[in-house]
Amino acid sequence: GNSVTQMEGPVTLSEEAFLTINCTYTATGYPSLFWYVQYPGEGLQLLLKATKADDKGSNKGFEATYRKETTSFHLEKGSVQVSDSAVYFCALSDRLGMDSNYQLIWGAGTKLIIKP
Amino acid sequence: AAGVIQSPRHLIKEKRETATLKCYPIPRHDTVYWYQQGPGQDPQFLISFYEKMQSDKGSIPDRFSAQQFSDYHSELNMSSLELGDSALYFCASSLRGGSPEQYFGPGTRLTVT
Repeated sequence: GNSVTQMEGPVTLSEEAFLTINCTYTATGYPSLFWYVQYPGEGLQLLLKATKADDKGSNKGFEATYRKETTSFHLEKGSVQVSDSAVYFCALSDRLGMDSNYQLIWGAGTKLIIKP
Repeated sequence: AAGVIQSPRHLIKEKRETATLKCYPIPRHDTVYWYQQGPGQDPQFLISFYEKMQSDKGSIPDRFSAQQFSDYHSELNMSSLELGDSALYFCASSLRGGSPEQYFGPGTRLTVT
């Protein structure tokens, strides 16, 4: 079945450091891929998405490229800020059938801590 | 832009009581999903609806039921509450014929004592 694996946290970085959070997936077919972010005490926000191979999603300085050959969707940011501290979830979206809704398959989440 | 609205934001109940959580999707979205998120865990899919019909079922306990109404809002009814039901409950909405991403509400934090 479909699955998502992302690097375990917490990931602790200093402000302005380069960020990579690894995400790999297993899927039949051609899923869409997402990164969601959850700030402390808040809900899940869609950070970025990619719907087909080689697509690059980007938002708020974060980027991720849909790599079919390596089944990966790693999240990167060139210079992190304290305000980026949150839990980041990688997810894929797939359909069980034509009459089904899209299902989100989640990674376990990676807690990111940015120190000033 | 309008977002998904959930109410209440916080709810405290005692064991064996019932609770009703409400979700108002983004206007024109026809699909609603319910998720449960325990502390430090990823969201667990409970159930989804499309055009007021149940579409898919996940790990929803038999003590829980849900429905989607004619105005597309949805309610999650939880009975015989247990301590283990304490969690964040998220509702998400999407437009079935559109992009596959789901847009989440702020969640309802349920505490069962």
